[in-house]
Amino acid sequence: KAGVTQTPRYLIKTRGQQVTLSCSPISGHRSVSWYQQTPGQGLQFLFEYFSETQRNKGNFPGRFSGRQFSNSRSEMNVSTLELGDSALYLCASSFPRDRATIDGYTFGSGTRLTVV
Amino acid sequence: QQQVKQSPQSLIVQKGGISIINCAYENTAFDYFPWYQQFPGKGPALLIAIRPDVSEKKEGRFTISFNKSAKQFSLHIMDSQPGDSATYFCAASKGGSEKLVFGKGTKLTVNP
Repeated sequence: KAGVTQTPRYLIKTRGQQVTLSCSPISGHRSVSWYQQTPGQGLQFLFEYFSETQRNKGNFPGRFSGRQFSNSRSEMNVSTLELGDSALYLCASSFPRDRATIDGYTFGSGTRLTVV
Repeated sequence: QQQVKQSPQSLIVQKGGISIINCAYENTAFDYFPWYQQFPGKGPALLIAIRPDVSEKKEGRFTISFNKSAKQFSLHIMDSQPGDSATYFCAASKGGSEKLVFGKGTKLTVNP
């Protein structure tokens, strides 16, 4: 089956601009979570969407937002980009997690965002 | 506040040796403890996971040991191979939540 698809793979943006990243989950998966990965802070949870509703949110400023569509595809948006937003943004999809069988997320390969 | 502490930051092991990575957590509400493997340019991939009702889980060369009273868990990679060279992350989550709290990662290098 196809994996989690994130587009674009690479982006270069200028400070102050905004950016939209896209994530297509595995077919049948209804939960989509977003993470920011940086060398200093590691993997940090941004937010999770399930059935078009945000269920959980991490400790990021309001410049970071997301949404989920009826087909479970998700987008995240970062407005007024700062240099510190340079990171690998990862999307993960899950059924959600089947608690009976211990299933986990499936991550995409990420979008590498560079802010200059 | 780092809720999952992982050590060591980096690890060098000879081929055939045992790689051991340790994690400690603070939140007793955590009930799911996965390990992820990440290669450069790729997203993390689930390696093995455990719940706190068991003390050990083995899948091939990979074993998770879990100590609930000490709030610690570890990953053992037996017969380490150069292909195991990657960054390993431990993580934890609590019931009903898809949010994972990750450790900072361990870069494993297995020398041939």
